[in-house]
Amino acid sequence: GESVGLHLPTLSVQEGDNSIINCAYSNSASDYFIWYKQESGKGPQFIIDIRSNMDKRQGQRVTVLLNKTVKHLSLQIAATQPGDSAVYFCAENRESAAQGGSEKLVFGKGTKLTVNP
Amino acid sequence: GAGVSQTPSNKVTEKGKYVELRCDPISGHTALYWYRQSLGQGPEFLIYFQGTGAADDSGLPNDRFFAVRPEGSVSTLKIQRTERGDSAVYLCASSFGPPDTQYFGPGTRLTVL
Repeated sequence: GESVGLHLPTLSVQEGDNSIINCAYSNSASDYFIWYKQESGKGPQFIIDIRSNMDKRQGQRVTVLLNKTVKHLSLQIAATQPGDSAVYFCAENRESAAQGGSEKLVFGKGTKLTVNP
Repeated sequence: GAGVSQTPSNKVTEKGKYVELRCDPISGHTALYWYRQSLGQGPEFLIYFQGTGAADDSGLPNDRFFAVRPEGSVSTLKIQRTERGDSAVYLCASSFGPPDTQYFGPGTRLTVL
């Protein structure tokens, strides 16, 4: 889930188990949410996104759930594999006040997922 | 196809020096974003370009930071009089334009000694 300090929340799972990573967002006006995976030394990699008119979206082995009432987002990874080990960030798309908007991304602090073989 | 590329991958400089960081977006992407990521944190927005113009530079921390995108493709982030606090990974992302998905490059790790 979201961190309130400088330490990343961590999640450790066994290979083959399902993983659930949680995220709270702050802006009720945000209408687009994205999950990114970041491996050490690399840039964030797009995993899955969801728009605010949806509650659930499924991809390959991943599902994102959106609860707008409590401003909560979760990422579920099925049959977690060692290659899933990384830091996972949720990001909300927040349209800026600038003319035309920029829809800059506002990231949470991330959750470090470790998959044990 | 080719993704977003950034050069250099690593840059070490001394306090007070000037640096330039380059971003090559995905071909055809009109929107380009710069973010900065400190250790253990999520990326933080710096500036957004739509075409050649900076549509939103509200994330630039001060006037030592400047970015250009003269031909609507490659962008350069320029930092003057670098300070140790500027040390971070600078990430570039591009998209077809909001609200399309932003795709990130590998980043440039800047270290200011």
